Amino acid sequence: AQSVTQLDSHVSVSEGTPVLLRCNYSSSYSPSLFWYVQHPNKGLQLLLKYTSAATLVKGINGFEAEFKKSETSFHLTKPSAHMSDAAEYFCVGGKLIFGQGTELSVKP
Amino acid sequence: ETGVTQSPTHLIKTRGQQVTLRCSSQSGHNTVSWYQQALGQGPQFIFQYYREEENGRGNFPPRFSGLQFPNYSSELNVNALELDDSALYLCASSLLDSSYYGYTFGSGTRLTVV
Repeated sequence: AQSVTQLDSHVSVSEGTPVLLRCNYSSSYSPSLFWYVQHPNKGLQLLLKYTSAATLVKGINGFEAEFKKSETSFHLTKPSAHMSDAAEYFCVGGKLIFGQGTELSVKP
Repeated sequence: ETGVTQSPTHLIKTRGQQVTLRCSSQSGHNTVSWYQQALGQGPQFIFQYYREEENGRGNFPPRFSGLQFPNYSSELNVNALELDDSALYLCASSLLDSSYYGYTFGSGTRLTVV
């Protein structure tokens, strides 16, 4: 069975500094993986998806993620955080298996 | 292209009552999934409907039931409401092979049981 684990429940960065949100997966086959963002009292918005076409996936709002099979990881990154990036981020497996979520705080 | 629409946005019910939540899927999508998101938690899968038939169910009791209509819209019904049913209920639509295309989520219905 597929599962995803988000390694940090909360990440805090300063505005303008890089963002790293970590996600590991377990799957007996090549997975489909997604990152979603959820702003307070809002639904979930798709940031990006991995479907085996390319290991480096670029998403919206400057986010990208790299699929590393050897490390079973799919970490989300952004070179420079913006205040509007503050939200909850979910790493999700192919059949909508959600990770626990990572709350990103951005300090001025 | 229309997105996923959920109604109502907020709802307050009394313990023991019944509630119906509604979801209009994105144009072209034939599959609807429902999720329960308790405060501070990730969404938990309730069930999925494809072409009006249940196509998978999570670990929720039978008092959680659903319907999908020919236009692919859907309802989530919860009977005998309990305080722990208070949560954000999310609907997501997709094509069945959503592992490739992903899911489109609605903004959710916030249910409070008092």
